[in-house]
Amino acid sequence: QSVLTQPPSVSGAPGQRVTISCTGSSSNIGAGYDVHWYQQLPGTAPKLLIYGNSNRPSGVPDRFSGSKSGTSASLAITGLQAEDEAEYYCQSYDSSLSGWVFGGGTKLTVL
Amino acid sequence: QVQLVESGGGVVQPGGSLRLSCAASGFTFSNYAMHWVRQAPGKGLEWVTFIRYDGSNKYYADSVKGRLTISRDNSKKTLYLQMNSLRPDDTAVYYCAKTGRVGATKASMDVWGKGTTVTVSS
Repeated sequence: QSVLTQPPSVSGAPGQRVTISCTGSSSNIGAGYDVHWYQQLPGTAPKLLIYGNSNRPSGVPDRFSGSKSGTSASLAITGLQAEDEAEYYCQSYDSSLSGWVFGGGTKLTVL
Repeated sequence: QVQLVESGGGVVQPGGSLRLSCAASGFTFSNYAMHWVRQAPGKGLEWVTFIRYDGSNKYYADSVKGRLTISRDNSKKTLYLQMNSLRPDDTAVYYCAKTGRVGATKASMDVWGKGTTVTVSS
């Protein structure tokens, strides 16, 4: 059971928009700690996708966006492409655990 | 370019030990805190341990406390993970990751290595 809760899977057709939620609590997201998102393509290492809730590193397409409100955060992907098929993880810091925490991951399938 | 390369993984018996290394290049290693993150076969990411840029503070997940030890040698630009009393549930790919801001502790993990595989089995 992960500290941050994500849906196990989401899907969408090419060109559509999907969102992935990440629900935490008052000791992590709700405490004001930043949420970061990672993309993991099959068989590869995770890659930073969104940092500081809503910022995109250089090279990440603007089809990817992040937001945070209260004890939750969301990743939105617009204009879905086949290459977006991957596992997505949210991550934050938890003051009760004095450690960094990940969501359980969400598998995105492009139909 | 910024790069992290892990090494030292392998097959070890339960109760055994292993030391992982993570060689950094392309950035000023001594300015950045570092993490180890692992991923068991078919499972999600699990944060393992963190060390500040100067090695002054270290934090561990409860699942590894007392058995795994993080350290760094800034002169060699290398991060280490000493793994003792290994258990089958430590079987995973182990990634080292760099924090995204100089001196920061709770920043993102902006660069990851390709990982090294540890298998604990008799």
